[in-house]
Amino acid sequence: GENVEQHPSTLSVQEGDSAVIKCTYSDSASNYFPWYKQELGKRPQLIIDIRSNVGEKKDQRIAVTLNKTAKHFSLHITETQPEDSAVYFCAARDNYGQNFVFGPGTRLSVLP
Amino acid sequence: DAGVIQSPRHEVTEMGQEVTLRCKPISGHNSLFWYRQTMMRGLELLIYFNNNVPIDDSGMPEDRFSAKMPNASFSTLKIQPSEPRDSAVYFCASSLGQGEYEQYFGPGTRLTVT
Repeated sequence: GENVEQHPSTLSVQEGDSAVIKCTYSDSASNYFPWYKQELGKRPQLIIDIRSNVGEKKDQRIAVTLNKTAKHFSLHITETQPEDSAVYFCAARDNYGQNFVFGPGTRLSVLP
Repeated sequence: DAGVIQSPRHEVTEMGQEVTLRCKPISGHNSLFWYRQTMMRGLELLIYFNNNVPIDDSGMPEDRFSAKMPNASFSTLKIQPSEPRDSAVYFCASSLGQGEYEQYFGPGTRLTVT
């Protein structure tokens, strides 16, 4: 089955700097890669996703890139703000399974 | 829509007791997922339903866990008997269908088994 790894497990950046979180997946059949943000004590919420026919997608300060050959994808947050502090989960879904496999999460702290 | 509704929000019970967690998905959503979140194991999928039918329960840890979806607007996750290692936050999520649809998570049930 699918296995998703995520790095780093924790990340601290100064406000205004950029943050990058990387994920790798094992199943080459995976074709959909969402990113979820979970604030402390709250539920995970989708912030951006990318499909395998696209190499990059942007939404304001957030972008995701996908390298299918290397089987990795990354989340990029620019001009970080304190409200970006949260745990971020990547996930992968393949054509055959109907569920997501989540990475272990990255705890991002944006320092004022 | 009120979003995915879960009850109770917090549950404290003694080892050996039966625990029932409840979920109401977003109206019109055909897929429902139960997750367990712990510090050690992260976010794990336990089971998911499509059109009220269980599709994959391979994540259910053992026979003490069972889940039902008697209709499109209600699902339960039952643990009997409960054990301290079941302590976790249990999330229910729903989506429009199987595939590349956003999963909307409920607020979660924090379960503590003493």
